[in-house]
Amino acid sequence: NAGVTQTPKFQVLKTGQSMTLQCAQDMNHNSMYWYRQDPGMGLRLIYYSASEGTTDKGEVPNGYNVSRLNKREFSLRLESAAPSQTSVYFCASSEARAEETQYFGPGTRLLVL
Amino acid sequence: AQSVSQHNHHVILSEAASLELGCNYSYGGTVNLFWYVQYPGQHLQLLLKYFSGDPLVKGIKGFEAEFIKSKFSFNLRKPSVQWSDTAEYFCAVIPLGRDDKIIFGKGTRLHILP
Repeated sequence: NAGVTQTPKFQVLKTGQSMTLQCAQDMNHNSMYWYRQDPGMGLRLIYYSASEGTTDKGEVPNGYNVSRLNKREFSLRLESAAPSQTSVYFCASSEARAEETQYFGPGTRLLVL
Repeated sequence: AQSVSQHNHHVILSEAASLELGCNYSYGGTVNLFWYVQYPGQHLQLLLKYFSGDPLVKGIKGFEAEFIKSKFSFNLRKPSVQWSDTAEYFCAVIPLGRDDKIIFGKGTRLHILP
């Protein structure tokens, strides 16, 4: 079991470029999440997917889109990257939303110049 | 809006010292409570959790936390810290019956001096 995997590990973008962060889990979890982690801000939820076929906004969704491709995969897209999106992005999954132990991926460090 | 407060942003201790990290939340209903830990260069992992039952819960690596409902608190404790406990610690709360979204505190950086 790989758990939660994320690609890429590191990325540098120029302002205005687009990119997609990939996340996959092999635990047959229903729910998946995208967070960003910034110094002194803790983790903030960007989007989540309670189950395959559904997505909902979290605390900081502006500038991002998501796709729950299937039960395993949940991608995060930046259509036009901005320096304010420089952050570490974590994907997580859990068996069911209300239950709630979340399993995290290794993170993607994104730098937007 | 619900929130989670971790009062200590940065804590420095010597090995063998006792640790208590504070966590308070603002929600009057039923909650699920968590402490996650992020060791340097690693991803977050669960340290312990409380859903119901005995309000004193034990987690991995000798950590424990006590849920005090009247104080809306879920403080993390360890009697004797080790250098390997150097990490960032996050308290998290799920207020049940609202939208069940998890809310993380801003984290406490713990640095243990050898």
